[in-house]
Amino acid sequence: DQQVKQNSPSLSVQEGRISILNCDYTNSMFDYFLWYKKYPAEGPTFLISISSIKDKNEDGRFTVFLNKSAKHLSLHIVPSQPGDSAVYFCAATEIYQGGSEKLVFGKGTKLTVNP
Amino acid sequence: DAGVTQSPTHLIKTRGQQVTLRCSPKSGHDTVSWYQQALGQGPQFIFQYYEEEERQRGNFPDRFSGHQFPNYSSELNVNALLLGDSALYLCASSLGGTDQPQHFGDGTRLSIL
Repeated sequence: DQQVKQNSPSLSVQEGRISILNCDYTNSMFDYFLWYKKYPAEGPTFLISISSIKDKNEDGRFTVFLNKSAKHLSLHIVPSQPGDSAVYFCAATEIYQGGSEKLVFGKGTKLTVNP
Repeated sequence: DAGVTQSPTHLIKTRGQQVTLRCSPKSGHDTVSWYQQALGQGPQFIFQYYEEEERQRGNFPDRFSGHQFPNYSSELNVNALLLGDSALYLCASSLGGTDQPQHFGDGTRLSIL
């Protein structure tokens, strides 16, 4: 059973426009959410995160929104640039007893920003 | 400031063999996690090491084992390799006890023939 779902395998937008990537989760115990960006032949790179006690976090062109009641989060990129073209992974964590954490990932959304 | 480094970058093995993958965490990090990423999937958590002990384990068989050394570096061992073990193996490091994100290496691409 997939606990983190990214239902759009791909997204194509024009340079300068907004990119919106969506993510849904089922486990109400998740308390920290992250977005990673991955280029081919590289490991995932941390982009932005949000704690479950917040509903918005902004970092430059990137904003993450969290709707806990809907178990939904989204990543907004404004304005989109061709260099943003990559696979974006949504991830969530649940803190276990003893302080350990594991990341649960979605399958990713491939974003293409066209010049 | 060196990030997470993994070796080797690529590896080809045959069914039934054993493999060891290595990871050096980002400077200042003491916790290492391993993930398996199959083609078209997101990374799947294998296990996490902290203070040289396995602290958390995902849904992987005992053929997958690991180790963390006093300098926080880590190894992932896989025994009796199966064709389905072909994947990208990612190592991530973090600072335990904080909400700082995990940082990933570029992975080891393992192919089983």
